[in-house]
Amino acid sequence: DGGITQSPKYLFRKEGQNVTLSCEQNLNHDAMYWYRQDPGQGLRLIYYSQIVNDFQKGDIAEGYSVSREKKESFPLTVTSAQKNPTAFYLCASSIGGVGNTGELFFGEGSRLTVL
Amino acid sequence: GNSVTQMEGPVTLSEEAFLTINCTYTATGYPSLFWYVQYPGEGLQLLLKATKADDKGSNKGFEATYRKETTSFHLEKGSVQVSDSAVYFCARMDAGNNRKLIWGLGTSLAVNP
Repeated sequence: DGGITQSPKYLFRKEGQNVTLSCEQNLNHDAMYWYRQDPGQGLRLIYYSQIVNDFQKGDIAEGYSVSREKKESFPLTVTSAQKNPTAFYLCASSIGGVGNTGELFFGEGSRLTVL
Repeated sequence: GNSVTQMEGPVTLSEEAFLTINCTYTATGYPSLFWYVQYPGEGLQLLLKATKADDKGSNKGFEATYRKETTSFHLEKGSVQVSDSAVYFCARMDAGNNRKLIWGLGTSLAVNP
């Protein structure tokens, strides 16, 4: 089945540690996105990529990094510089480019807790 | 500014009640509008959309009409079920080159049997 797979579903991290969240899609989509979801704050865009080897900062990129070496993969690293990393992280993809209809396909999310 | 505003939740209804979740937007022009739904513990999924003024999007008994006069896209359902309990997000397309979505804050709906 086509879709987006995020892993791990739950992750615990000690303060000062970097952690990488995986996002893989087999939908052949050009565009991929990382969102952060906090109670009462809706979805906030961290980074997005419209094509392989290219990505742009979203609204809250500080303390995060990404790479887009393959079309299928868009991992997110939460660095120790992120002051409040405990959150629910959502990866999404879309057709992208001029064909983008605005329909995003989401993974099931990764819940990160910093201890 | 460019934003999406939805009614605050939580909304609590009894089964078979009528549902309205308000959504208004500000934008230049007439962007595509969307409702996404997030069931507990899951990612979001597209519920319905409308791409131009006066369009009506519909799916699973939910409807929303693109009203350019009132810059609104209110979500309605005539008879809710317990399985409709979820968080509902209104969004609009950012018409710039990046083609991102601009999101509302979400409205939580709980339907009691």
